[in-house]
Amino acid sequence: AQRVTQPEKLLSVFKGAPVELKCNYSYSGSPELFWYVQYSRQRLQLLLRHISRESIKGFTADLNKGETSFHLKKPFAQEEDSAMYYCALSGRGTGNQFYFGTGTSLTVIP
Amino acid sequence: KAGVTQTPRYLIKTRGQQVTLSCSPISGHRSVSWYQQTPGQGLQFLFEYFSETQRNKGNFPGRFSGRQFSNSRSEMNVSTLELGDSALYLCASSLYLAGGDTQYFGPGTRLTVL
Repeated sequence: AQRVTQPEKLLSVFKGAPVELKCNYSYSGSPELFWYVQYSRQRLQLLLRHISRESIKGFTADLNKGETSFHLKKPFAQEEDSAMYYCALSGRGTGNQFYFGTGTSLTVIP
Repeated sequence: KAGVTQTPRYLIKTRGQQVTLSCSPISGHRSVSWYQQTPGQGLQFLFEYFSETQRNKGNFPGRFSGRQFSNSRSEMNVSTLELGDSALYLCASSLYLAGGDTQYFGPGTRLTVL
């Protein structure tokens, strides 16, 4: 079964500390992985996706196929990083639905 | 380009009533997906439409239905509302929902069932 697991509902870190949001998945096939973010009073938006291998706002995520993980990392957390983060996957090809995790609420303490 | 819009933004209904929510995708986007967002469950996929056809359906009862029009605008309908249907309903559009396509989300419709 297709599933995305984010084991931490809440995560608090101090400003300037490294942050890692965990994401594990199960998918029968080759998935595309994403991280979406929802800042307070804003709509859900794409943070980064695996296929573009880019770093957005200092965040990176590495796909580990052996561990079926796609953890989101940032070396130095900023207060503006406080938000809800969702890991998501979809299949390759056309018409594949998205599966979202339950989200991790990140709070960066000043 | 204008973003995804959803109307209405807020709705209050009573049990047993039905409700229709509307979503206008980004111009040129042909895929529209609907999600139910609740604090405990996160985002749960309802269904996805492409070129007026439902391509994917999540694990929701038949009370939840949708459709898509020729201009890609989409509606979802919930009949015989239950208290548990209270949630934020999100609509997302993408070009084709091909692997790697970004989904662009609307602001959501907050439904409260009393």
